[in-house]
Amino acid sequence: GENVEQHPSTLSVQEGDSAVIKCTYSDSASNYFPWYKQELGKRPQLIIDIRSNVGEKKDQRIAVTLNKTAKHFSLHITETQPEDSAVYFCAAGSWGKLQFGAGTQVVVTP
Amino acid sequence: NAGVTQTPKFQVLKTGQSMTLQCAQDMNHNSMYWYRQDPGMGLRLIYYSASEGTTDKGEVPNGYNVSRLNKREFSLRLESAAPSQTSVYFCASSESQGNQPQHFGDGTRLSIL
Repeated sequence: GENVEQHPSTLSVQEGDSAVIKCTYSDSASNYFPWYKQELGKRPQLIIDIRSNVGEKKDQRIAVTLNKTAKHFSLHITETQPEDSAVYFCAAGSWGKLQFGAGTQVVVTP
Repeated sequence: NAGVTQTPKFQVLKTGQSMTLQCAQDMNHNSMYWYRQDPGMGLRLIYYSASEGTTDKGEVPNGYNVSRLNKREFSLRLESAAPSQTSVYFCASSESQGNQPQHFGDGTRLSIL
């Protein structure tokens, strides 16, 4: 089955700097890669997703890149703000069966 | 439009008790999912239902059963609760099974003593 590894587990950045979270996956059949943001005690919320036929996708300050050959994908947050502080999860899979990474705690300090 | 609604929000059980977690969505989605989330870990898929009338096992199905009651509702049952099932349970739905965003409910915090 699929195995997703996510790094780093914690990330502290200064407000205005960029944050990068990296994930690797094992199953070459995976073709859907969403990213979720979860604030403490809240539900996971989708922030961006990418499908295997696309190498990069951007939405305002958030971008995701996918390298299918190397089986890794990354989340980039630019111009970080205090409200970006949360746990971020990557996931990989297909046909609705997603395997999630263990999460990255992002702390943005003013 | 409430999205995905889970009940109850909190529950404490004793070992061996049974419990059904309820989930309903009002987005006319075909696919629904149950996950558990433990500290320091990501979400793990317990069961999913690709469409009304079908259910399939996910990564961690042991100790659980599910029922897709109709298109809107997907319940998760613990027949004989064990302390290892203490977790936060999330229900999610998506338009279809094929690589569509999954929308999550607020979760049920379940403690088993």
